Amino acid sequence: DAGITQSPRHKVTETGTPVTLRCHQTENHRYMYWYRQDPGHGLRLIHYSYGVKDTDKGEVSDGYSVSRSKTEDFLLTLESATSSQTSVYFCAIGGVGQPQHFGDGTRLSIL
Amino acid sequence: AQTVTQSQPEMSVQEAETVTLSCTYDTSESNYYLFWYKQPPSRQMILVIRQEAYKQQNATENRFSVNFQKAAKSFSLKISDSQLGDTAMYFCAFMNHGQGAQKLVFGQGTRLTINP
Repeated sequence: DAGITQSPRHKVTETGTPVTLRCHQTENHRYMYWYRQDPGHGLRLIHYSYGVKDTDKGEVSDGYSVSRSKTEDFLLTLESATSSQTSVYFCAIGGVGQPQHFGDGTRLSIL
Repeated sequence: AQTVTQSQPEMSVQEAETVTLSCTYDTSESNYYLFWYKQPPSRQMILVIRQEAYKQQNATENRFSVNFQKAAKSFSLKISDSQLGDTAMYFCAFMNHGQGAQKLVFGQGTRLTINP
C-alpha cells in the first residue's frame, strides 16, 4: 500500500468548532489532494497541493483551508464547522500521469 | 470542465456471472486518463484498472476489463466470473494528461452486489 496515513479516522464535533484533519505520506510525492465523499456525488476535490506552501482550490473549497509546511504533511482545516461539512474525507497522493492512491478516509460528523 | 456520469446507481448479479458497469464522460481534451476505483465496505479506495486515451487497446487486469470507446466518450467496466469479494461501490474517474497537479473527476458511483 502507498504510505498514506489520515488522522483521525473518525471525529464527532459540534457546529462552529474548528477542525483539522491530517494527511501524512511517506512516498515523497509532490502532489497531494483532499476530497470529500457524499452520497450521490462520488468524490469531489476540495483543495490540492503541488509543493511545500503551494496550494490551490478545487471544486468545493468554500469553508475549507489547507496548509503544507512539509512535503509529507497536508492539513485540511474547517475554521468553523457546519453540518453541511459532515462527510467522509479522503487524502490522496499521486505523480504526473499516475493514478492517485488514497488514504483510508476520515469520517467527520458535525452535530 | 470535465464531467463523469455513471447512470446505474445500483446493480446486483449472481456469483460467477459477468457484469458490466457503465460510465460516460465529457471532455474537449484529446489526451487523458480514465480509471475505475473500487470501494468495499472497508471504505478503502482501490484502483481496479487504468486506461490511457491515446492507447486504442482496451486495458485488462485479470477478471476486469474495459470497453473504451473514445469517440462515444464511453468507458465501461466488465467483471467476469464475479466473486462475493467484488461487492463494492465502483467509481469511474477522469484525469487530464499533462504536467502539474492532475485532479480526478469522479462519477457518482455504482453500488454492485454479488449474490451467492
